[in-house]
Amino acid sequence: DTGVSQDPRHKITKRGQNVTFRCDPISEHNRLYWYRQTLGQGPEFLTYFQNEAQLEKSRLLSDRFSAERPKGSFSTLEIQRTEQGDSAMYLCASSPSWESYEQYFGPGTRLTVT
Amino acid sequence: GQNIDQPTEMTATEGAIVQINCTYQTSGFNGLFWYQQHAGEAPTFLSYNVLDGLEEKGRFSSFLSRSKGYSYLLLKELQMKDSASYLCGWRGGATNKLIFGTGTLLAVQP
Repeated sequence: DTGVSQDPRHKITKRGQNVTFRCDPISEHNRLYWYRQTLGQGPEFLTYFQNEAQLEKSRLLSDRFSAERPKGSFSTLEIQRTEQGDSAMYLCASSPSWESYEQYFGPGTRLTVT
Repeated sequence: GQNIDQPTEMTATEGAIVQINCTYQTSGFNGLFWYQQHAGEAPTFLSYNVLDGLEEKGRFSSFLSRSKGYSYLLLKELQMKDSASYLCGWRGGATNKLIFGTGTLLAVQP
């Protein structure tokens, strides 16, 4: 399978705990995006990487959120001191270049904060 | 969604045609997208318009009018498997991030 993969697919955590999600983009895709989707809403942009550089962060990304893409391949999204409002589907997408118009989405990580 | 409006829900009959409308407001427009999303799954790409006019791809067509900030997705010969959420979104900014509407939940009935 050469699609975008995400791990874990589901995560249940208690409020106040830290969680980390991983995204493996399609090989050789240098552009990587994180989105968050809550029930009944469309995906909302969180952050963008071009290779290893994080070039844009949404105002939705509070200081409890941090994302990395250390070698320009896989990426991680960490949420510290989780809150119930963080419960959502976290989607990762990748695309090969600026000219490419399609973003390929992974299956997402569904986070539930109890 | 950010400056994007589309109906929340629609219902249509198997075999029929349905049109899902989308209006948007942006100054940094760089293409209008439609994605399909089944419940609990990732969005999958359907169509892309950057110039005015109609783009046809099998049973799916998408139309764009940039001057009116308007697009629609046309689904023909509806099948039960077309029951899903349809996301309208525009691409913008230097990073080409996607800005989506809330999505239109389409229910196809027998």
